Amino acid sequence: EIVMTQSPATLSVSPGERATLSCRASQSVSSNLAWYQQKPGQAPRLLIYGASTRATGIPARFSGSGSGTEFTLTISSLQSEDFGVYSCQQYLNWPPEWTFGQGTKVEIK
Amino acid sequence: QVQLQESGPGLVKPSETLSLTCTVSGGSIRSINYYWIWIRQPPEKGLEWIGSIYHSGSTYYNPSLKSRITISVDTSKNQFSLQMSSVTAADTAVYYCASPYCSGSNCYDGWFDPWGQGTLVTVSS
Repeated sequence: EIVMTQSPATLSVSPGERATLSCRASQSVSSNLAWYQQKPGQAPRLLIYGASTRATGIPARFSGSGSGTEFTLTISSLQSEDFGVYSCQQYLNWPPEWTFGQGTKVEIK
Repeated sequence: QVQLQESGPGLVKPSETLSLTCTVSGGSIRSINYYWIWIRQPPEKGLEWIGSIYHSGSTYYNPSLKSRITISVDTSKNQFSLQMSSVTAADTAVYYCASPYCSGSNCYDGWFDPWGQGTLVTVSS
């Protein structure tokens, strides 16, 4: 099983500042990585897939980078509505397997 | 736009079987030839993949849960279902179903959106 490890566990950022979230895979997942945003009481929403492609309707301030085992989600200028928990997820296409990180909580400072 | 809705009992007794159904509207499971998925989230914890099903019925399960779960699809009702046997308190979680992500005419096996709103299942006597 591929283990996904996210850091930090909690990130406090002032509005307008940059937020950088990390995700590490226990073995290479190539570019098969996604990022989700989850707000309290809501289901996750897909932000980034294929490590760097924004999903439909996702603002340009969200960007993803990385490949192999090291990945980053950057929020270039944090808005108040960006608070929540961000989770990374890998996809292994054979045998099919999906694994999530434990999440990074982004707090508005 | 596809929408998903989970349904099933919110309370299950230890050692019994948890049964949930995901009803898909706004699109056909049969026409989206990619994996549909069940995921759960224990209170204050991260997301955990439970298992996935192809429209054809092929299934893939989390190895840690494989011995206890069955996922099935009923394309005539546009639903897919989860059964988990021998539940314990550790199975208490919000259970989500989710659709393969599609952007325009392109759909993908690895990513999921939208998700259902989730349903809390508590295992307790």
